Amino acid sequence: DAKTTQPNSMESNEEEPVHLPCNHSTISGTDYIHWYRQLPSQGPEYVIHGLTSNVNNRMASLAIAEDRKSSTLILHRATLRDAAVYYCILRPTNAGNMLTFGGGTRLMVKP
Amino acid sequence: NAGVTQTPKFQVLKTGQSMTLQCAQDMNHEYMSWYRQDPGMGLRLIHYSVGAGITDQGEVPNGYNVSRSTTEDFPLRLLSAAPSQTSVYFCASRMSGTEAFFGQGTRLTVV
Repeated sequence: DAKTTQPNSMESNEEEPVHLPCNHSTISGTDYIHWYRQLPSQGPEYVIHGLTSNVNNRMASLAIAEDRKSSTLILHRATLRDAAVYYCILRPTNAGNMLTFGGGTRLMVKP
Repeated sequence: NAGVTQTPKFQVLKTGQSMTLQCAQDMNHEYMSWYRQDPGMGLRLIHYSVGAGITDQGEVPNGYNVSRSTTEDFPLRLLSAAPSQTSVYFCASRMSGTEAFFGQGTRLTVV
């Protein structure tokens, strides 16, 4: 399975944008880039995913490099509730493939 | 629509005891999976199922059994609990090609 590399932790100020990077230099053409986050004492929750083009939804934006070897999750205005561990995951399109979690990035948001 | 429901939320076992962690989903999802999360780590896949009657092993299957007799339920059995199985267990479900939904977790302590 292709691996992802994320910083262990990042800090942000409340109401400022946050850019969470992810490197995936061995990504294959059929791998989707998924982002999940895990709030304290909760199960992971889906944030966003994409294949080649940048994606926006109500939670965040996903910017994917042209060569697809890296991506960035963008939270446009961080809130205290966004403090969580963010996981960048590559998921092949093959049916049945489950999610493989790495260590993720712990985002701390300062008031 | 309850999503993914895990029971119990907390459990303490003695070494050698057996137990079953329950997972139920009401979204008619094909795929279900079990993960464990040790302190400060990402989630690791134990077992998964791509439909009723079909199960397969994940990254860390030893000491665990699963079955999938219905679409809704995917119980995880600990055959003979060991202290190394102390962890938080998450169940997840999804349809093919969509995001995964996770339960709130079962915190298991084996003494």
